[in-house]
Amino acid sequence: EPEVTQTPSHQVTQMGQEVILRCVPISNHLYFYWYRQILGQKVEFLVSFYNNEISEKSEIFDDQFSVERPDGSNFTLKIRSTKLEDSAMYFCASNRAGVETQYFGPGTRLLVL
Amino acid sequence: AQSVTQPDIHITVSEGASLELRCNYSYGATPYLFWYVQSPGQGLQLLLKYFSGDTLVQGIKGFEAEFKRSQSSFNLRKPSVHWSDAAEYFCAVGVRSSYKLIFGSGTRLLVRP
Repeated sequence: EPEVTQTPSHQVTQMGQEVILRCVPISNHLYFYWYRQILGQKVEFLVSFYNNEISEKSEIFDDQFSVERPDGSNFTLKIRSTKLEDSAMYFCASNRAGVETQYFGPGTRLLVL
Repeated sequence: AQSVTQPDIHITVSEGASLELRCNYSYGATPYLFWYVQSPGQGLQLLLKYFSGDTLVQGIKGFEAEFKRSQSSFNLRKPSVHWSDAAEYFCAVGVRSSYKLIFGSGTRLLVRP
């Protein structure tokens, strides 16, 4: 069964450094999403992406964040200058059509020191 | 504003006992509703979903949920819990206009042998 994959599974970085989190959505899916979960808190929506542009972004998704689909398979989340409060689990998700079930990847745990 | 409330942070049940996890939502229109499960170190796996129609929906692993519009609830049930059901369970509402998911804070299920 096809699944969403994410790399790396864990990343440790220094405050102020740039990080890129990578996702490979399911191949025939058209809608892509990033969510994050700070330890002990709820899963929060960050951004949705369709047809090579952002569909919606949350308040969390400020100018330090960007997303890109650099080729036909990858979907990336970049944080330009990480802050301590960016430490969280980041989940990628995808679906074929917006109203359908979103399938989630296993997540990338980001720790900012 | 849309929101999801899961009033129980932790629930402990004995193996073989029945289970009900509560979920209440706030949403202005007919919601899309989901239950996801997260095992340690894993991503979010869909258990079941409600889009329309029959208000009692069946999911994987013997789970079911009932949509009650009058109570704004979508409680998850299982008649007999197995030790492998120990995990964190998230209820979510899908926003029709943007397709993003809004999650509850989760309920951690512990299963006593």
